[in-house]
Amino acid sequence: AQTVTQSQPEMSVQEAETVTLSCTYDTSESDYYLFWYKQPPSRQMILVIRQEAYKQQNATENRFSVNFQKAAKSFSLKISDSQLGDAAMYFCAYRSASNTGNQFYFGTGTSLTVIP
Amino acid sequence: NAGVMQNPRHLVRRRGQEARLRCSPMKGHSHVYWYRQLPEEGLKFMVYLQKENIIDESGMPKERFSAEFPKEGPSILRIQQVVRGDSAAYFCASSPEYGGSYEQYFGPGTRLTVT
Repeated sequence: AQTVTQSQPEMSVQEAETVTLSCTYDTSESDYYLFWYKQPPSRQMILVIRQEAYKQQNATENRFSVNFQKAAKSFSLKISDSQLGDAAMYFCAYRSASNTGNQFYFGTGTSLTVIP
Repeated sequence: NAGVMQNPRHLVRRRGQEARLRCSPMKGHSHVYWYRQLPEEGLKFMVYLQKENIIDESGMPKERFSAEFPKEGPSILRIQQVVRGDSAAYFCASSPEYGGSYEQYFGPGTRLTVT
């Protein structure tokens, strides 16, 4: 089974600064999808960004970007110009691209604190 | 377009009672997934359903847990004879088609507390 590892249980960043959250995964598949979800105190899971493994270009969504290193099986999230509203739990997730692999595999999360 | 709806948002049950959690997928979505999130952990897959079919229940405990997604109405996750260890947040997600957008849209979750 695929595993997703987030080695940073907690991170903090100064408002307006940049922070990078790390994620590694283990898979024998060549085609898959990777996601970062944000979970604020409301517990709602909000999709932040996604990356298709077949794409070499790193995904970007406004202040959020990823550093996808397929060979290293690494998928880090960079948050630029951090805002107070970015404070939340962040989960990295993996999904197979095969027709039988519909479930998501989640990491254990990184709690991000934004310091005013 | 309303998002994924889950109710109730909070559910308290005594040990031994039954818990029923409901999930209405987004309009046009025919695939439903249930996940469980224990305190301080990530979400863990439980079951994947399409209308009237269970496609993958590999993450579902073998006893006391069942799920359905009838032709009409919401998907139901049912936990019989709840125990304290069932206390968790249960999330439902939906997607539009088999392998479609690859994204899953999550509901707000149901927090189950077993006393």
